[in-house]
Amino acid sequence: QQQVKQSPQSLIVQKGGISIINCAYENTAFDYFPWYQQFPGKGPALLIAIRPDVSEKKEGRFTISFNKSAKQFSLHIMDSQPGDSATYFCAASRGYTDKLIFGTGTRLQVFP
Amino acid sequence: NAGVMQNPRHLVRRRGQEARLRCSPMKGHSHVYWYRQLPEEGLKFMVYLQKENIIDESGMPKERFSAEFPKEGPSILRIQQVVRGDSAAYFCASSPPARGRQGNSPLHFGNGTRLTVT
Repeated sequence: QQQVKQSPQSLIVQKGGISIINCAYENTAFDYFPWYQQFPGKGPALLIAIRPDVSEKKEGRFTISFNKSAKQFSLHIMDSQPGDSATYFCAASRGYTDKLIFGTGTRLQVFP
Repeated sequence: NAGVMQNPRHLVRRRGQEARLRCSPMKGHSHVYWYRQLPEEGLKFMVYLQKENIIDESGMPKERFSAEFPKEGPSILRIQQVVRGDSAAYFCASSPPARGRQGNSPLHFGNGTRLTVT
């Protein structure tokens, strides 16, 4: 119930393409769903986050889609750039104060 | 505005030695979380602390591992009698008190301590 399942494990996209990463959760008590971006040798950095009262949130080229009934959420990166090449983690928690449960990560490579 | 500071960045220990990892949270942050990341894996929650209190240690191994966040000074993750399986990157994250929290950025991560046990 505490798991967050993430797919795919790795993703190769051409420059300008759309990158899509999916996550699913079981615990209906989760109410905060962030995505983190991690570059080699660095800590994860918050990219974008969503609460379950909205179905979509967009910030620049990054969009989260949220399906509460299916208990799934996804990250879409539009116009993917080589600089987007990194590992992306979805996560979930019960509010801001509880611990984040992370997915297993998706390694994204964007080729020019 | 300094971020979450972790030191050392790299730590090498022989089997059986002790490892001490330090984390200084961001200014104004009173919540600290420790995570472990094995190579090619996600981040696994270990422990959640507030000043002088352990709030949730459900992810902490029962033996050899301990954590503290004293009233003054950094949070410390301590691993006694290290074994090769302890080799990993250990990340600390901090967040402000709930009443002061805004927007969607509750956890700020440091750049981690990479522990290698030989």
